Amino acid sequence: GEDVEQSLFLSVREGDSSVINCTYTDSSSTYLYWYKQEPGAGLQLLTYIFSNMDMKQDQRLTVLLNKKDKHLSLRIADTQTGDSAIYFCAESITGGFKTIFGAGTRLFVKA
Amino acid sequence: KAGVTQTPRYLIKTRGQQVTLSCSPISGHRSVSWYQQTPGQGLQFLFEYFSETQRNKGNFPGRFSGRQFSNSRSEMNVSTLELGDSALYLCASSDRVSGNTIYFGEGSWLTVV
Repeated sequence: GEDVEQSLFLSVREGDSSVINCTYTDSSSTYLYWYKQEPGAGLQLLTYIFSNMDMKQDQRLTVLLNKKDKHLSLRIADTQTGDSAIYFCAESITGGFKTIFGAGTRLFVKA
Repeated sequence: KAGVTQTPRYLIKTRGQQVTLSCSPISGHRSVSWYQQTPGQGLQFLFEYFSETQRNKGNFPGRFSGRQFSNSRSEMNVSTLELGDSALYLCASSDRVSGNTIYFGEGSWLTVV
């Protein structure tokens, strides 16, 4: 089946690293994504990783993929108050051109 | 390149009415998908259109329908509105080339009273 799971809340202090975790079920996923949603706005694509990669780094963002455990994580270094938002993990299902989203993790950054 | 554009941004409707939301995809993108976002249910897939044909459909009642035009612009319609239809409706477009990387619009906030 197709399912993406994330924890609902994460609270960190400004300057610390945030790690948001996600598990997915479809082993044929080709791309895995992280989106950010700020209040009142749509979802902004942050980064994505192809399923044959283990890691991708983009400035303060590091994505780790453990394909064996179907586990994806997003690490935000030096977390700032502007990073407070909901972060969605998503997987793209091969062949169906369908993207399945997790419920989103609400990140609170305390000053 | 302009992003995904959705209109209207905000609207209020009465139970029993119908509503039409519009979405213009990123230029060159032929796939448009629609999602409903509510606090309780999260992000739920409604349907996806590609080259004017519905390719995927989520688990929503027949009151929810959509269409896509030859210029890839899409509309979704909800008939006989219920209070539970109050939500943020998000449109996303894709070129269907890089997996299914989709780019979202800012959404249409629908309130049913």
